[in-house]
Amino acid sequence: DIQMTQSPSSLSASVGDRVTITCQASQDISNYLNWYQQKPGKAPKLLIYDASNLETGVPSRFSGSGSGTDFTFTISSLQPEDIATYYCQQYDNLPLMYTFGQGTKLEIK
Amino acid sequence: EVQLVESGGGLVQPGGSLRLSCAASGFTFSSYSMNWVRQAPGKGLEWVSYISSSSSTIYYADSVKGRFTISRDNAKNSLYLQMNSLRAEDTAVYYCARDAWEYCTGGVCWGGVLDYWGQGTLVTVSS
Repeated sequence: DIQMTQSPSSLSASVGDRVTITCQASQDISNYLNWYQQKPGKAPKLLIYDASNLETGVPSRFSGSGSGTDFTFTISSLQPEDIATYYCQQYDNLPLMYTFGQGTKLEIK
Repeated sequence: EVQLVESGGGLVQPGGSLRLSCAASGFTFSSYSMNWVRQAPGKGLEWVSYISSSSSTIYYADSVKGRFTISRDNAKNSLYLQMNSLRAEDTAVYYCARDAWEYCTGGVCWGGVLDYWGQGTLVTVSS
């Protein structure tokens, strides 16, 4: 099975900062990598799909990049409403399996 | 507006059974693959099961294989998860989630992007 290593597990930053989260796959997953935001007590929300595609309606300060085994999620200018836990997720085709990273809890400094 | 509403959670004893439901609206339910994803208290997300739009393809996580059964009723716009032989480690919030797309070839289907999620239903397994 493919393992996903997400880092850091927690992060404290100031409003306006550039924030970067990384996700590493244990083997080549092409661009089969998505990013989700989960606010406390809420369901996850899709932000980025297939490594770099911004989901409709998601602010452009969110972006993603990478392919193969190394992926990056970036918030270009942190806003107070971005406080949440962020998860990467990869998908294997056959057999289908979805694997989430451990999550990154983002807090305001 | 896409809506997914889970129900059926509650307190159950170890070894017991529970059936979760997810009512879908705001989209053509019969055209989309669906999933169950769970989250133990204070923990991360864990994918549980997938079912294709026509129910022709079903997958399970190893942790629930043989104990959980996913199904759907397209006429009722509903997704289900029958959970048997429940264990303490099955305690979690269970979310239903829609797959943004479905690819099928050779009778086998798959998705990959979970674009809409319900608010979840809590299952607690405890004596």
